[in-house]
Amino acid sequence: AQSVTQPDIHITVSEGASLELRCNYSYGATPYLFWYVQSPGQGLQLLLKYFSGDTLVQGIKGFEAEFKRSQSSFNLRKPSVHWSDAAEYFCAVGEEEGGGNKLTFGTGTQLKVEL
Amino acid sequence: EAGVVQSPRYKIIEKKQPVAFWCNPISGHNTLYWYLQNLGQGPELLIRYENEEAVDDSQLPKDRFSAERLKGVDSTLKIQPAELGDSAVYLCASSLGQGAHTQYFGPGTRLTVL
Repeated sequence: AQSVTQPDIHITVSEGASLELRCNYSYGATPYLFWYVQSPGQGLQLLLKYFSGDTLVQGIKGFEAEFKRSQSSFNLRKPSVHWSDAAEYFCAVGEEEGGGNKLTFGTGTQLKVEL
Repeated sequence: EAGVVQSPRYKIIEKKQPVAFWCNPISGHNTLYWYLQNLGQGPELLIRYENEEAVDDSQLPKDRFSAERLKGVDSTLKIQPAELGDSAVYLCASSLGQGAHTQYFGPGTRLTVL
């Protein structure tokens, strides 16, 4: 069965500093990988996704992520964090099942941004 | 383009009462998902619809939970009777259909059972 590990429950960074959120997955085949962001009281917004091809993917709000098969990782990065980036971030792995896509989420990383 | 719509946004009920959540997916999206998100956790799939058909309901606690998507568009998730442990956020998501991998989420309904 597929699984996702986000080892950092909470991360605090200063505004303007760089950010890296870690994500490790377990899946037998080539995975579909996603990062979502959730602000308080809101649903999940898709930041970026990896299906195939270039292992460095660009997303919205200046985020990027790199797929590393050898490390089973899909870490999210941003070169300069803004105060509005404070939120919870979820990594997810998807597998095709019955013609659809079954997502398994990690437990999330709560990002705090210090001004 | 309108996103996934859910209502109500918040619901507070007494235990043993029934409750229902409504979801309207993005127009043209044939696949609809209901997720449960407990505090401090990622969402977990409850049920997936392809049009009107529930194709994956293996994680739905069928003794108290039910769902329907009668016309293949909007959907209702019901709990009867609610228990204290059902307090959580219920998220609805949709995707284009078979083979589509990207799911788009609604804002969720936060349920509190007293």
